[in-house]
Amino acid sequence: EAGVAQSPRYKIIEKRQSVAFWCNPISGHATLYWYQQILGQGPKLLIQFQNNGVVDDSQLPKDRFSAERLKGVDSTLKIQPAKLEDSAVYLCASSLDRRRNTEAFFGQGTRLTVV
Amino acid sequence: SQQGEEDPQALSIQEGENATMNCSYKTSINNLQWYRQNSGRGLVHLILIRSNEREKHSGRLRVTLDTSKKSSSLLITASRAADTASYFCATDINAGGTSYGKLTFGQGTILTVHP
Repeated sequence: EAGVAQSPRYKIIEKRQSVAFWCNPISGHATLYWYQQILGQGPKLLIQFQNNGVVDDSQLPKDRFSAERLKGVDSTLKIQPAKLEDSAVYLCASSLDRRRNTEAFFGQGTRLTVV
Repeated sequence: SQQGEEDPQALSIQEGENATMNCSYKTSINNLQWYRQNSGRGLVHLILIRSNEREKHSGRLRVTLDTSKKSSSLLITASRAADTASYFCATDINAGGTSYGKLTFGQGTILTVHP
């Protein structure tokens, strides 16, 4: 079974630039998550999708971050414009269905450096 | 603030010893999950324990859950150098009896196992 795919693996941008991350979840997984993990901290949930609908985006900085899940499969997370404090690893995860007690599977993440 | 808080923040042991990590949380949960993260890599799911379970085993891992104290512990027996990693607990919050599948992570415990 293929895992969660993310790209790119690394990205360096200047502040005020834009950046986009892509995630392809495990086939058949209804729930998709985007997390932000700052060095030395635990992952922080940014947004959670169930199929192509948003379940929770309470911690997403909506003035600069946006996310969508196309046709309930792939997802993109965009930052525009980026700030220095956005430097972090962005993790995508998927699970079979949020309504079941099932684990989440994580991708390798995208390491973003904003200079 | 984080839902789950791990204790200790760092743990250093010798190969062959047991390692115990604790997690405390604040609100009602559907389940609690433990993940491992090796340096620079994605999170790997270790074990999931449901709110109606008290203990669960998987290989050298033993997890306990005390919902009255809102706490969980992860025991790794006969540790190996390869167990060196960060360990996170994640809680699936139960709000009003509806399972949201919203996984909230703690700050993690850094485990170092010396050969």
